Amino acid sequence: DGGITQSPKYLFRKEGQNVTLSCEQNLNHDAMYWYRQDPGQGLRLIYYSQIVNDFQKGDIAEGYSVSREKKESFPLTVTSAQKNPTAFYLCASSINSGGVTDTQYFGPGTRLTVL
Amino acid sequence: AQKVTQAQTEISVVEKEDVTLDCVYETRDTTYYLFWYKQPPSGELVFLIRRNSFDEQNEISGRYSWNFQKSTSSFNFTITASQVVDSAVYFCALSEARNRDDKIIFGKGTRLHILP
Repeated sequence: DGGITQSPKYLFRKEGQNVTLSCEQNLNHDAMYWYRQDPGQGLRLIYYSQIVNDFQKGDIAEGYSVSREKKESFPLTVTSAQKNPTAFYLCASSINSGGVTDTQYFGPGTRLTVL
Repeated sequence: AQKVTQAQTEISVVEKEDVTLDCVYETRDTTYYLFWYKQPPSGELVFLIRRNSFDEQNEISGRYSWNFQKSTSSFNFTITASQVVDSAVYFCALSEARNRDDKIIFGKGTRLHILP
């Protein structure tokens, strides 16, 4: 089945450690996105990528890094510079057909807890 | 600047009642897109509807219906004969067409409890 997978579902990390969240899609979508969700805050955009080997900062990029070496994959690294990393992280993708806003489809999310 | 307001933080209704979730948006663009997503307890956001600013027709899909009114900048979502499985957080979202990167701004969500 086509879709977006995120792993792991739950992730625990010690303070000061970097951690990488995986996001893979087999929808043949060009664009991919990372969001952070905190209770009562809705979704906030961290990074997005419209095409392979290119990505842009979203609204809250500080303390995060990404790469887009393959169309199917858009991993997110939460670095030790991120002051409050405990949150629910959602990955999404869209066709990015250009000229119109395409629908974003979401993965199941990764819940990161910093101990 | 674009903005989405979901004033209802949390709603509880008894099963089989109808319920309307409000969404008010702000944009300076004449071409834009509105979305509703459902987030069940599992956490994944499920796409429900996408509507462009030139299509003001109301939409019905089973027990779900959407009322789009440009005059009041609202895109409200009604669930008819609610069921326990409708319990979730619902997000309204907006994207301006001039953003050629599909960026979407989300409201803070409305948590809906359907009581048996």
